Amino acid sequence: GNSVTQMEGPVTLSEEAFLTINCTYTATGYPSLFWYVQYPGEGLQLLLKATKADDKGSNKGFEATYRKETTSFHLEKGSVQVSDSAVYFCALSDPWGNNRLAFGKGNQVVVIP
Amino acid sequence: EPEVTQTPSHQVTQMGQEVILRCVPISNHLYFYWYRQILGQKVEFLVSFYNNEISEKSEIFDDQFSVERPDGSNFTLKIRSTKLEDSAMYFCASKGQEDYGYTFGSGTRLTVV
Repeated sequence: GNSVTQMEGPVTLSEEAFLTINCTYTATGYPSLFWYVQYPGEGLQLLLKATKADDKGSNKGFEATYRKETTSFHLEKGSVQVSDSAVYFCALSDPWGNNRLAFGKGNQVVVIP
Repeated sequence: EPEVTQTPSHQVTQMGQEVILRCVPISNHLYFYWYRQILGQKVEFLVSFYNNEISEKSEIFDDQFSVERPDGSNFTLKIRSTKLEDSAMYFCASKGQEDYGYTFGSGTRLTVV
């Protein structure tokens, strides 16, 4: 079935550092790919998306490129801020299943001033 | 900006009791979902609802679970006889006609004791 795998463990880094969170997926067909962010005490918010191979999603300085050849959708940001501290979830949308989302486990990102 | 509202934010219940988790989706959305996240695990799909009926459900969504949209605005998840393993964060989401555009609520943390 469809699944998403995120790198293990929390990510702690200093302000202005480069952030990468790895995400790989397994899916039949051509899913849409998403990154969601959850700030403390809040719901899941869509950060960015890509709907086909080689699409790049971007928002708030974050980017991710839909790589069909490596089945990946890694999230990157060039210079993080303390306000980027949150949990980040990679997800895919199953086009054959009422567009239900399959999520990765999420990565806690902590940015230290 | 329109949002999905969930109540309560936290509910504690005794094992065997019935609970109802409430959600008010975005008013012009047509697709409604419940997801849950057990602490430290992935966000998991429970059920999708469209045109006043369940369109898809996961293997988690057994006879103990039910959903309802009683009045055209609220969307509820009922657990008839709660078990300890039902303790989780429950997220409601709604979606319009467009390909993306899931909007999640802030979640209800259910604790079964």
